[in-house]
Amino acid sequence: DTEVTQTPKHLVMGMTNKKSLKCEQHMGHRAMYWYKQKAKKPPELMFVYSYEKLSINESVPSRFSPECPNSSLLNLHLHALQPEDSALYLCASSQGWATSYEQYFGPGTRLTVT
Amino acid sequence: AQKVTQAQTEISVVEKEDVTLDCVYETRDTTYYLFWYKQPPSGELVFLIRRNSFDEQNEISGRYSWNFQKSTSSFNFTITASQVVDSAVYFCALSDRTQGGSEKLVFGKGTKLTVNP
Repeated sequence: DTEVTQTPKHLVMGMTNKKSLKCEQHMGHRAMYWYKQKAKKPPELMFVYSYEKLSINESVPSRFSPECPNSSLLNLHLHALQPEDSALYLCASSQGWATSYEQYFGPGTRLTVT
Repeated sequence: AQKVTQAQTEISVVEKEDVTLDCVYETRDTTYYLFWYKQPPSGELVFLIRRNSFDEQNEISGRYSWNFQKSTSSFNFTITASQVVDSAVYFCALSDRTQGGSEKLVFGKGTKLTVNP
């Protein structure tokens, strides 16, 4: 089963709201990722967790706060977002944190900030 | 620096035509990995293939085939007898391992393939 699930599929939020994106995998993968993808652009890496520890933060603004409660779950907490943060947010997982492993992606959350 | 170039922004073909998507890369590494991903309109990136730098054998999977040539730093993807379901954006990606031990993928800008009935 190579499935990564993400909820919600769509999210509309105001600039003062607080919301969370959720990601789950049951493949026993030890690395999990958050990507941001704007229309007609490739995915941009935001965060990498390896063995539940934050390994990469690609200089993401603090209004995005990742959390890895356990090896199967990854959250992205959102607060005081800007309209330019509207994008598709993709979660991915891989067997380990090494680029020799392929990443499996979820369907994404389409976020609109009003 | 690591770089992936997908020069074809958009390609449009008629069903049953063969189509090749180009991918050219630049890397400082002697060991590296190349990937192709498919992103249909639904949004999910689907892993298609991984190739390491020591394996230059071409690969075929059904209607899909990949041609890896280190001499020209290319990793091209061919779809034979294309179908409407092949319509998607296709990304080529390259492994990037920094001196600090950070590892991530470098994506090309993608090629949007439209297969018309």
